[in-house]
Amino acid sequence: GAVVSQHPSWVICKSGTSVKIECRSLDFQATTMFWYRQFPKQSLMLMATSNEGSKATYEQGVEKDKFLINHASLTLSTLTVTSAHPEDSSFYICSAKGQGYSNQPQHFGDGTRLSIL
Amino acid sequence: DAKTTQPPSMDCAEGRAANLPCNHSTISGNEYVYWYRQIHSQGPQYIIHGLKNNETNEMASLIITEDRKSSTLILPHATLRDTAVYYCIVSRSAGGTSYGKLTFGQGTILTVHP
Repeated sequence: GAVVSQHPSWVICKSGTSVKIECRSLDFQATTMFWYRQFPKQSLMLMATSNEGSKATYEQGVEKDKFLINHASLTLSTLTVTSAHPEDSSFYICSAKGQGYSNQPQHFGDGTRLSIL
Repeated sequence: DAKTTQPPSMDCAEGRAANLPCNHSTISGNEYVYWYRQIHSQGPQYIIHGLKNNETNEMASLIITEDRKSSTLILPHATLRDTAVYYCIVSRSAGGTSYGKLTFGQGTILTVHP
């Protein structure tokens, strides 16, 4: 089945630093990738939609200058949390959607747990 | 996208069938029903999806009512490893600003017990 790899799986860093998270589709080409955030005991919330070769579309309330998204190839999207602060600590999850039929499901990575001290 | 309603929690005995209901009474003609599950501290796992016909794969069966206002996910022989949060999501298949987006609700916490 479709495999999406996310790296790193866990990161701790100091307040004020920037953190980059990678999302790769390993066995299919992903024209669209999605980034979600999940706080403890809550459901996933979509942050942004990333289409290969174009600017990401951010959901209302998500700061585009804070969460930089790059989708430079059909197999890789990156999320950079800039100048991270403790309130950015969360579980960040990416998903990828392949080419072909429009009803193709999204496949998710295993998430990145980000802790800002 | 149409909103879904699921029971917050369900229990199931190991080896028995788990039937998880979902209401999506405002679903529109171009919206599919998707089911995902999330095991603790992992990303969601795709299970199955359908438009109007019943679907079956190696993981589960999806039964969609004729009016498409509700559906049931069936895990035929639940195991302890099926304990997870199950999400029923309706999503537009094409077109519009919400194309392809998945809006996660609170889902159903399924607990499979020995």
